[in-house]
Amino acid sequence: KNQVEQSPQSLIILEGKNCTLQCNYTVSPFSNLRWYKQDTGRGPVSLTIMTFSENTKSNGRYTATLDADTKQSSLHITASQLSDSASYICVVCRGRNTGFQKLVFGTGTRLLVSP
Amino acid sequence: NAGVTQTPKFQVLKTGQSMTLQCAQDMNHEYMSWYRQDPGMGLRLIHYSVGAGITDQGEVPNGYNVSRSTTEDFPLRLLSAAPSQTSVYFCASSYSFGTGGNTIYFGEGSWLTVV
Repeated sequence: KNQVEQSPQSLIILEGKNCTLQCNYTVSPFSNLRWYKQDTGRGPVSLTIMTFSENTKSNGRYTATLDADTKQSSLHITASQLSDSASYICVVCRGRNTGFQKLVFGTGTRLLVSP
Repeated sequence: NAGVTQTPKFQVLKTGQSMTLQCAQDMNHEYMSWYRQDPGMGLRLIHYSVGAGITDQGEVPNGYNVSRSTTEDFPLRLLSAAPSQTSVYFCASSYSFGTGGNTIYFGEGSWLTVV
C-alpha cells in the first residue's frame, strides 16, 4: 500500500531553535518527494522537490534530505521564526516519466514556534 | 499573476443541494486537479485533468463531477451534497508531473459545510 508517514504529529520549539521533521514512505514507483508548508487556513506552498538522485535540497532556512534506499526524508528548519508555525506536509509523487502522476500525502507535522 | 484562484472561500449547503466550486489558473498549466483535505488524513485526489477536454477520476470521485472546457478553468460540481462531503477542497495546477519535478501550485482552499 502506498503510504507516507510523518513524525512527530506535532512539535513545539522556542524561537531561534532548530528542528527536524521526519517522513517515511512506501510508495512505488517513486518519482520525486516534496515538502510543503501549509499555514492555518491557507493552501500548501512548495518548499522543496527532490528526485531519486538528489539527497539534499535547500530553500533558505529549510533543508530537506532524501535517502531513497531507506525511503526516508527529513526537513530541517534552522533558526526558527514565529512565521514558521504551520503544518509541514511530506508528499511523494508516484509514477514514471510521462502522464499524470499521483501524489501520496502525509498527514503533516504541526509545528508551533513559541516566543 | 494571481496563480490558482478558488471561489467561494466558504460555503454552507443543505443536504441534497448542488453547487460548483470554481478554480482558475493564469499560468497556462496543462494539469489541474481537485483534492479534499479531511482531519487526520492526507489530501486525497478527487478528479484531475491533463488538458482542455480531458478529465479522469482520482481516488474519491463519487458525488463529484468535473469538466475542462478551457485551459484556465476547472470547476468541481457537487451533484447532491451529503454531510460526508463536508471538507476543505483544494485546486492545484502544474505544467506537468514529470520526474523533473515541476512545482505544483495550490489554491487557498474552499471550506464546505453540508448540513
